[in-house]
Amino acid sequence: ELKVEQNPLFLSMQEGKNYTIYCNYSTTSDRLYWYRQDPGKSLESLFVLLSNGAVKQEGRLMASLDTKARLSTLHITAAVHDLSATYFCAAPFRRGSRLTFGEGTQLTVNP
Amino acid sequence: ETGVTQTPRHLVMGMTNKKSLKCEQHLGHNAMYWYKQSAKKPLELMFVYNFKEQTENNSVPSRFSPECPNSSHLFLHLHTLQPEDSALYLCASSPDGTGPYGYTFGSGTRLTVV
Repeated sequence: ELKVEQNPLFLSMQEGKNYTIYCNYSTTSDRLYWYRQDPGKSLESLFVLLSNGAVKQEGRLMASLDTKARLSTLHITAAVHDLSATYFCAAPFRRGSRLTFGEGTQLTVNP
Repeated sequence: ETGVTQTPRHLVMGMTNKKSLKCEQHLGHNAMYWYKQSAKKPLELMFVYNFKEQTENNSVPSRFSPECPNSSHLFLHLHTLQPEDSALYLCASSPDGTGPYGYTFGSGTRLTVV
């Protein structure tokens, strides 16, 4: 069974700082998804990474995928308060199967 | 508007009540999912439907009864719930599990069992 592990699970950082969230998964997968969830709200799709070496950027967030290392990263550049949320990564066990989600990383950006 | 609509947004029910949660999508997707999200806990997959057929039941208690009359609609019927069932219930859909697009989530139903 596929396991998806995120770290850290909790992250408190200051505005203007950089940090990286890591997502490891336990079996071969050729794609990886990142979602954002604001408190009390639903999950919003952030990035879809479809191949080894894929890199996607949106504003202060950049996601990458290394399928050989079974690792995806979500890098935060010059954090701002609006980025405070819980971030989930998810991977399919195999092509066409349902997604397995990580536990989520709760990010708090302090002034 | 996410493309996946869940109603109601909030629900308070007694332990002896019967209620239903509704999920509707008009994205042309053929797979639909129910997730439970409790405070401080990871997402828990409850049920998966592909082309209206249930393909996964993740050991969910029988007090939760799903129904998928067509690919656009998914229900979760609730009866004799317990206080620990209070949670955010999320519905999601995807093309059919084979595409690269991931899931589209609804806004969720915040359920409180009293």
